[in-house]
Amino acid sequence: QVQLVESGGGVVQPGRSLRLSCAASGFTFSSYGMHWVRQAPGKGLEWVAVLSYDGSDKYYADSVKGRFTISRDNSRNTLYLQMSSLRPEDTAVYFCAKDVEYALNYWGQGTLVTVSS
Amino acid sequence: QSALTQPPSASGSPGQSVTISCTGTSSDVGGYNYVSWYQQHPGKAPQIIIYEVSKRPSGVPERFSGSKSGNTASLTVSGLQAEDEADYYCSSFSGSNNRYVFGTGTKVTVL
Repeated sequence: QVQLVESGGGVVQPGRSLRLSCAASGFTFSSYGMHWVRQAPGKGLEWVAVLSYDGSDKYYADSVKGRFTISRDNSRNTLYLQMSSLRPEDTAVYFCAKDVEYALNYWGQGTLVTVSS
Repeated sequence: QSALTQPPSASGSPGQSVTISCTGTSSDVGGYNYVSWYQQHPGKAPQIIIYEVSKRPSGVPERFSGSKSGNTASLTVSGLQAEDEADYYCSSFSGSNNRYVFGTGTKVTVL
């Protein structure tokens, strides 16, 4: 069965960097686009970024463009989100999700990132 | 890129129907048949219930249905059950910049 497991969250000071990982299993990872979505405490879902199956195309929300980088290692079945210049408003649970037909059909359980001094 | 507009809340008694709207623009909801809906219970990850406006993934009950007219998509939950009490989010592909956008979310309460 499809499994997505995020890791790498934690408490980080404003301006610092953090890298999230998403380990995928149960499907042919290299054949699917992947997303990152975040949810601030008590708030709604916010789409963050998407990466094509081969890593050639990537798109970002305006709120993270220039600060976050999405990437993947298909040999390790792993998706990454490199976050830099972190701000308090980046505090959220970050989910990775598998793409199919322009929808997100499987989601991980999320990893919490807290940006605070 | 602005969030799609959903009503903050909706409610119904068991067995009744509830419909949630999701309003965007011609650049997202109105321009593509790539609207999806997600159900999220407290403390859990979202789960897909509708994709491509009206298609149901396997395992999703038939009482969940989706539609679209112009720039507004809708999700209808028929025959409400207690387990349907959750937050619901719409999402759309936005072709103007190859991005995605979520709705503001609707809390459904089963009375």
